[in-house]
Amino acid sequence: GAGVSQSPSNKVTEKGKDVELRCDPISGHTALYWYRQSLGQGLEFLIYFQGNSAPDKSGLPSDRFSAERTGGSVSTLTIQRTQQEDSAVYLCASSLTGGYEKLFFGSGTQLSVL
Amino acid sequence: DQQVKQNSPSLSVQEGRISILNCDYTNSMFDYFLWYKKYPAEGPTFLISISSIKDKNEDGRFTVFLNKSAKHLSLHIVPSQPGDSAVYFCAAKASNAGGTSYGKLTFGQGTILTVHP
Repeated sequence: GAGVSQSPSNKVTEKGKDVELRCDPISGHTALYWYRQSLGQGLEFLIYFQGNSAPDKSGLPSDRFSAERTGGSVSTLTIQRTQQEDSAVYLCASSLTGGYEKLFFGSGTQLSVL
Repeated sequence: DQQVKQNSPSLSVQEGRISILNCDYTNSMFDYFLWYKKYPAEGPTFLISISSIKDKNEDGRFTVFLNKSAKHLSLHIVPSQPGDSAVYFCAAKASNAGGTSYGKLTFGQGTILTVHP
């Protein structure tokens, strides 16, 4: 596709449920990033995938969060047993190599945990 | 530990005047800096970047200045236009221990710019 695609664009869930958020990066981009933006806050780094290297998971806030990237392309961010504080916009980005270059962001998934 | 700080949550300027957005950082290993703009309900879009080997980079109405000794960068928009009204984020990247550039971007909290007609 022409850009980074994220789905769903909006997700409302009940506390305690699991959710999966999907990201389709730009074709050929080897680096993929997940960030989240809580209301009134900046962009918080979650996880970074670079080619076949082990992902940098240093930003995941708890073990309820996990992510995978299959076949070096599509990525899924999973949040288990969601809590109200997980409510945020989850943004995915990709870049060609992960080096000194700009990131291209998707439009995000607005997650609301009731 | 906020390594990239944008201390002004908001900025209001008149159309045609200069907008100056500021960003400070604490990590001396940061060597590549970017500015992003974000409209509501959209993902951030790239504006301009600068490498630590430079102190200025221009692209049309946008200029980024880097002061490494002060660990400070700024984005100048001249002239400002109402369509520039958005949230502006600065971001930084550090070389990793392996000497490569691979790694995450660290973002500031953002500054809401409002340009009045």
